Amino acid sequence: AQKITQTQPGMFVQEKEAVTLDCTYDTSDQSYGLFWYKQPSSGEMIFLIYQGSYDEQNATEGRYSLNFQKARKSANLVISASQLGDSAMYFCAMREGKTSYDKVIFGPGTSLSVIP
Amino acid sequence: GAVVSQHPSWVICKSGTSVKIECRSLDFQATTMFWYRQFPKQSLMLMATSNEGSKATYEQGVEKDKFLINHASLTLSTLTVTSAHPEDSSFYICSARPGPRGYTFGSGTRLTVV
Repeated sequence: AQKITQTQPGMFVQEKEAVTLDCTYDTSDQSYGLFWYKQPSSGEMIFLIYQGSYDEQNATEGRYSLNFQKARKSANLVISASQLGDSAMYFCAMREGKTSYDKVIFGPGTSLSVIP
Repeated sequence: GAVVSQHPSWVICKSGTSVKIECRSLDFQATTMFWYRQFPKQSLMLMATSNEGSKATYEQGVEKDKFLINHASLTLSTLTVTSAHPEDSSFYICSARPGPRGYTFGSGTRLTVV
């Protein structure tokens, strides 16, 4: 069963506008971590933001914020003031557990296109 | 920041030959390295987890005799695609966890088997 769901295969946003990328997850663990990564056409994986399951506040990193709703098992990424360079694939990912041995699984991704 | 160096960036090989991909952690010790494969327009699929000094753990459906993983030191993990075939053409990327929060990825290897 798929553990990470991203229901938006593709999204468009006007430059300088905000955009929300959806992510829902499924786990029975109490301790887990949620990540968002950006993958431009070059293929590199760029870490954007992290939210731990016990973190009480939503994570923020510059223009990126994570809307964490634990009861709904959702971890949506909000990008404010979109820039042309934000055009890329965005992956939501989850780590179950908290050791370095714990693997990370990825959602199917959302392709974001920023329109000038 | 923590860096994982992955080589080669791209490789073209003939069908039936073997290809080795290296991932090195440059400024931290990577007890565990994760290997992913990504087909065009798809997500990253975990292939295996390598642990320094022990056998790798493979995900269901991944042939361990075809994808040989060696993690001989705390800074080097290798993936060898043996007897490569065109269907093995893909983007292979490694990842390690330098700290309690984030994972660092290599730059990836584009393998084309002709």
